Amino acid sequence: EVQLVQSGGGLVQPGGSLRLSCVVSGFTVSSNNMRWVRQAPGKGLEWVSVIYSGGSTYYADSVKGRFTISRDNSKNTLYLQMNSLRAEDTAVYYCARDSQTNGLVDYWGQGTLVTVSS
Amino acid sequence: QLVLTQSPSASASLGASVKLTCTLSSGHSSYAIAWHQQQPEKGPRYLMKLNNDGSHSKGDGIPDRFSGSSSGAERYLTISSLQSEDEADYYCQTWGTGGVVFGGGTKLTVL
Repeated sequence: EVQLVQSGGGLVQPGGSLRLSCVVSGFTVSSNNMRWVRQAPGKGLEWVSVIYSGGSTYYADSVKGRFTISRDNSKNTLYLQMNSLRAEDTAVYYCARDSQTNGLVDYWGQGTLVTVSS
Repeated sequence: QLVLTQSPSASASLGASVKLTCTLSSGHSSYAIAWHQQQPEKGPRYLMKLNNDGSHSKGDGIPDRFSGSSSGAERYLTISSLQSEDEADYYCQTWGTGGVVFGGGTKLTVL
């Protein structure tokens, strides 16, 4: 059974840092593209970052240079390191898996809330 | 530019059927999409992949009440025999050379 279980998140001051984790099971984290998608309060879904199975990484312009996506194959875990956080980064963050069709999201984590506020 | 357009809201009665629409931007009418459901206070759940010819493949455990169809640049999600737990936000999603794109979502109210 495929599962994505998230942890991390919480309240952080503007300019602060936070790391999100997503432990996967039922598949190998390096076998599929893995994404982070966020949802600001009352808003829709917004793609944040992707790490392809081959290791390439890409970011939305809004987080480029501040966020870093990575994975630890030995722990079967996906990460999102978030630095220089801003109020507009406040959102629920979801990890997500692409199917074997690149770009088609077929499994989601349960989400974790990040609140950036003083 | 690859854009997905959805109506913000829809409603239908318990036990009835409803058809939600997702429209692909000009020049992208051949693209496949995915439909996702987000129940209140929950994370999204993948429902199905929908191709431009109307063929679709559903995710694990998705009931037969959920089906998809296509016409030109429009992609549809039909939910039959509506149940209270179908009240949710429904998002379409696609992908291209620029990455993944989400529609704005449709909030479905079951009356």
